[in-house]
Amino acid sequence: GAVVSQHPSRVICKSGTSVKIECRSLDFQATTMFWYRQFPKKSLMLMATSNEGSKATYEQGVEKDKFLINHASLTLSTLTVTSAHPEDSSFYICSASSGPYEQYFGPGTRLTVT
Amino acid sequence: EDQVTQSPEALRLQEGESSSLNCSYTVSGLRGLFWYRQDPGKGPEFLFTLYSAGEEKEKERLKATLTKKESFLHITAPKPEDSATYLCAVRVNRDDKIIFGKGTRLHILP
Repeated sequence: GAVVSQHPSRVICKSGTSVKIECRSLDFQATTMFWYRQFPKKSLMLMATSNEGSKATYEQGVEKDKFLINHASLTLSTLTVTSAHPEDSSFYICSASSGPYEQYFGPGTRLTVT
Repeated sequence: EDQVTQSPEALRLQEGESSSLNCSYTVSGLRGLFWYRQDPGKGPEFLFTLYSAGEEKEKERLKATLTKKESFLHITAPKPEDSATYLCAVRVNRDDKIIFGKGTRLHILP
């Protein structure tokens, strides 16, 4: 149990375009989903927390107009990177939680902006 | 300020050589301490949750323990497939956030 999927696993896009990443909890209802960014050999950096049906809470320094998060249902959250630039290239990971306990992580999405 | 520190940053062991990874924390109120394993290019894989000092959990060659200041992840007779980055994270009372340490990169040599 507790499986989280992400799609796509890898994406390459041109500078100035937008990219959408999906995160799904496959076998449980996720009341809260989290989006992280990870740079090579670094730990996870929390970008935002989203609860189903409400606006996401962004961490300090994360541009909410650039990283749009939608948590439309208890099994789906999306992260849209708008007007992507090369510095947005990174490994994006989502996680899902059904309560105040452990988070279960997706496999990650490697974004490369050229 | 809530903080999680993992040591060592990297550890190389021979196959079969047991050792421990450390996660020390200073937080306003602990709601849970988590251990994850992360392979390169993959998302973290959940291993253990510990809630109170004195608690221990085991899974195959791994055993996690918790005190009021730190947690240890003991690895007994490791195999090359145990090579990965091990992440420690804590959930704090203050705002219910989860704070991650920087991880320990473990490499087991055959």
